[in-house]
Amino acid sequence: RKEVEQDPGPFNVPEGATVAFNCTYSNSASQSFFWYRQDCRKEPKLLMSVYSSGNEDGRFTAQLNRASQYISLLIRDSKLSDSATYLCVVNLNNFNKFYFGSGTKLNVKP
Amino acid sequence: SAVISQKPSRDICQRGTSLTIQCQVDSQVTMMFWYRQQPGQSLTLIATANQGSEATYESGFVIDKFPISRPNLTFSTLTVSNMSPEDSSIYLCSVFPGQGRGYTFGSGTRLTVV
Repeated sequence: RKEVEQDPGPFNVPEGATVAFNCTYSNSASQSFFWYRQDCRKEPKLLMSVYSSGNEDGRFTAQLNRASQYISLLIRDSKLSDSATYLCVVNLNNFNKFYFGSGTKLNVKP
Repeated sequence: SAVISQKPSRDICQRGTSLTIQCQVDSQVTMMFWYRQQPGQSLTLIATANQGSEATYESGFVIDKFPISRPNLTFSTLTVSNMSPEDSSIYLCSVFPGQGRGYTFGSGTRLTVV
C-alpha cells in the first residue's frame, strides 16, 4: 500500500467553480501535512501547510481528518491560473521522511 | 524561505556518460535532499546529503550510481553515473527549512539520456 494516495484526475472544471481534492495517508503517526502545487515542467512549490484545526488562505482551504487519515484541499472560485498538479505531502515524526502523493491534475477551463 | 540555485536546468546526454548536478543554497542548511521525478510520477527520494558525512541512500539507490558530495552547508552535487535511458527524469534538490514546514525545491534538472 502506498504511503500517500491521491486521485490522479484530471479534474476538469469551469472558471468560477469550486473543486475539492482528497488525499489519504496510511501511517497514523504522520505529523505534518502539506499541499504543493506543481506546474508543468516546473518544480513543486509549497501551496499551504495543513493544520489540525484546518486553515484557509484566500480561495484555498485545507482540512485534516486524523480519524479517517485524509487531508483535503478546497479551491473556491477557480481561476484559469489554478490549472496545475496538486501534490499531497505527508511527513512522519522524522523530518527527513516526506512522502509525496502522485498528484491530482486540475484543468480550469474558460 | 531558502533560495536554491540548481544547474544545469536541462541536458541531453549519451548513454554510458555521467552528469553532475549542482545545487547552491543561499543559507546554511544541515540537510539537503535529492529527489527524482520520472515522467508522470511523483517525487522519489534518492538520498539525504549530510555535511561532513556520507549521504544516506534510500532503498533502490546506491552510491556507485548516484554519488553525492556535500562539501559545505550551502552546496551539494549529485552525479548520475553510467547513464542509461531509464535515468531520463527530472532531478530536484531540496532543503528542509524547519519542523512543520515543507520543503523548498530547486528548479530541477531535466535529464534526457539517448
